[in-house]
Amino acid sequence: GENVEQHPSTLSVQEGDSAVIKCTYSDSASNYFPWYKQELGKRPQLIIDIRSNVGEKKDQRIAVTLNKTAKHFSLHITETQPEDSAVYFCAASSPGNEKLTFGTGTRLTIIP
Amino acid sequence: GAVVSQHPSWVICKSGTSVKIECRSLDFQATTMFWYRQFPKQSLMLMATSNEGSKATYEQGVEKDKFLINHASLTLSTLTVTSAHPEDSSFYICSAPDRGSAGYTFGSGTRLTVV
Repeated sequence: GENVEQHPSTLSVQEGDSAVIKCTYSDSASNYFPWYKQELGKRPQLIIDIRSNVGEKKDQRIAVTLNKTAKHFSLHITETQPEDSAVYFCAASSPGNEKLTFGTGTRLTIIP
Repeated sequence: GAVVSQHPSWVICKSGTSVKIECRSLDFQATTMFWYRQFPKQSLMLMATSNEGSKATYEQGVEKDKFLINHASLTLSTLTVTSAHPEDSSFYICSAPDRGSAGYTFGSGTRLTVV
């Protein structure tokens, strides 16, 4: 089955700087790659996603890049703000079974 | 957008008892529901996939006799934790593919504490 690895597990960034979180996946058939932000005790909240027919997608301060050949994708947050502090998860799914496999998570802390 | 309502949001039960968690799709038909478990400071781990009208598919290592999943209608999937033990204490959350957005809709999660 799909295996998604995520790095780093923790990340501290000065407010205003950029944060980058990276994920790799194993199943070459995977075609949907969402990123979620999760507050403690809450459901994951989709912040951005990308499909395999696109290499990059941007939404204001958030961007995601996908390298299908290398099977890795990254989340980029620019101009970080204190409210960006949370746990972020990457995930991947394939068209066959729709199962969403999550990465191990990154605890992002924005230092004021 | 698509909404999945999950109840209860939290439950405390005694060891040996059973607990049922419900997930309802409110404005769409969820033919498939994924059930995840999340331990503190860990990721969401897929436990099983329920499909309306057929048996659930369990992930490796998940006891199907302990975690009973029923998907009797297009809008309701349930997870019953039977003979609960303290090690079953966790955050359980359901998710359904959102055909409209081609993404996934998550329930609000259930915090289960077994004492």
